[in-house]
Amino acid sequence: GAVVSQHPSRVICKSGTSVKIECRSLDFQATTMFWYRQFPKKSLMLMATSNEGSKATYEQGVEKDKFLINHASLTLSTLTVTSAHPEDSSFYICSAREPLNTEAFFGQGTRLTVV
Amino acid sequence: QKEVEQNSGPLSVPEGAIASLNCTYSDRGSQSFFWYRQYSGKSPELIMFIYSNGDKEDGRFTAQLNKASQYVSLLIRDSQPSDSATYLCAANTRYSTLTFGKGTMLLVSP
Repeated sequence: GAVVSQHPSRVICKSGTSVKIECRSLDFQATTMFWYRQFPKKSLMLMATSNEGSKATYEQGVEKDKFLINHASLTLSTLTVTSAHPEDSSFYICSAREPLNTEAFFGQGTRLTVV
Repeated sequence: QKEVEQNSGPLSVPEGAIASLNCTYSDRGSQSFFWYRQYSGKSPELIMFIYSNGDKEDGRFTAQLNKASQYVSLLIRDSQPSDSATYLCAANTRYSTLTFGKGTMLLVSP
């Protein structure tokens, strides 16, 4: 299957700081990327859909000013958690889909801990 | 409201047995269906996808789709302890986002 790379895999940051997570499609061009959050023993929660060259579409209840998404190229989307708080600690996962295909492939995930 | 329902489990099977994982979906417009496996602390990995009614086999895995009943299943033959994980069912309409079920935890005992 297609390869999606996510970086970093783990990050610890202090409250009030910002953290950027990168999601790259390595062997295909992804016009659409998705960002999920997953709390322990819970299912994936879609946060936003990132479209190359346009504004991201956020799910209800997700603060767009707190979770900044940029999809500047066909192979890279970034999620920036601004002014992070301990309650933002979670597992963040991106996925990407090839154009005209419906299968989505996941990055390795980023474990964010805010202290 | 698009929903995908799964029994949270855990589903416990002995090694070598067949594990049967089930999923129902509410959106009749759903066209493609996916099974992902997620180990604890890891991101999901795609196991299989199915678009057409009937069975699709890949190694020890068989996906089954019944659109009339809005039902998808995954059979794992000759279950191994390494198959112990949470299995996520997902559905989407063409080009739309994936809707995930909450996952079924499978435990395969040696």
